[in-house]
Amino acid sequence: GESVGLHLPTLSVQEGDNSIINCAYSNSASDYFIWYKQESGKGPQFIIDIRSNMDKRQGQRVTVLLNKTVKHLSLQIAATQPGDSAVYFCAEEYGNKLVFGAGTILRVKS
Amino acid sequence: DGGITQSPKYLFRKEGQNVTLSCEQNLNHDAMYWYRQDPGQGLRLIYYSQIVNDFQKGDIAEGYSVSREKKESFPLTVTSAQKNPTAFYLCASSILGGITEAFFGQGTRLTVV
Repeated sequence: GESVGLHLPTLSVQEGDNSIINCAYSNSASDYFIWYKQESGKGPQFIIDIRSNMDKRQGQRVTVLLNKTVKHLSLQIAATQPGDSAVYFCAEEYGNKLVFGAGTILRVKS
Repeated sequence: DGGITQSPKYLFRKEGQNVTLSCEQNLNHDAMYWYRQDPGQGLRLIYYSQIVNDFQKGDIAEGYSVSREKKESFPLTVTSAQKNPTAFYLCASSILGGITEAFFGQGTRLTVV
């Protein structure tokens, strides 16, 4: 339904610390999940993905964890840098389309 | 370079006018999507298409129309029936509907004046 007026949560972290961004997804039958990063005024960019037959996947400085029991996804960013400041979205594959979560603003303090 | 291109980047429309946003991809992707993003909010699905000459409504299709006459192109028309058209519009494409990552364009910011 409509989400007008619902604003994104914000996570503030100190430069160099680790960040953990959480996402609850909707459908237990979803098979594929993606994390996107969106900088101001730009389109979302792919960060990392994971399929439902995995619990964890690591990339460069990022790790995605999937807990299917509670339908929860998290993105961990190691040694957060100022360039990591952005909005982060999770997306789930459902009904042959990608459905996006509400997003989290990450602010990195120097 | 392969990619997905939206144009124009900024668009102004007078109330009561229809306007069409362009989305072109040269990635040979089957599926294409249109999302709307309001300030400080997430992405909401307007329409999507998995194959040429076929498309489905998303969560907020009212006041919008699309066509998919070519695999590479998926234009979105914002009609005068859309009561709050001012927003950031994002187009995306993927190989098959949702089972691989979607690639996004850089968006079109539409403002009603």
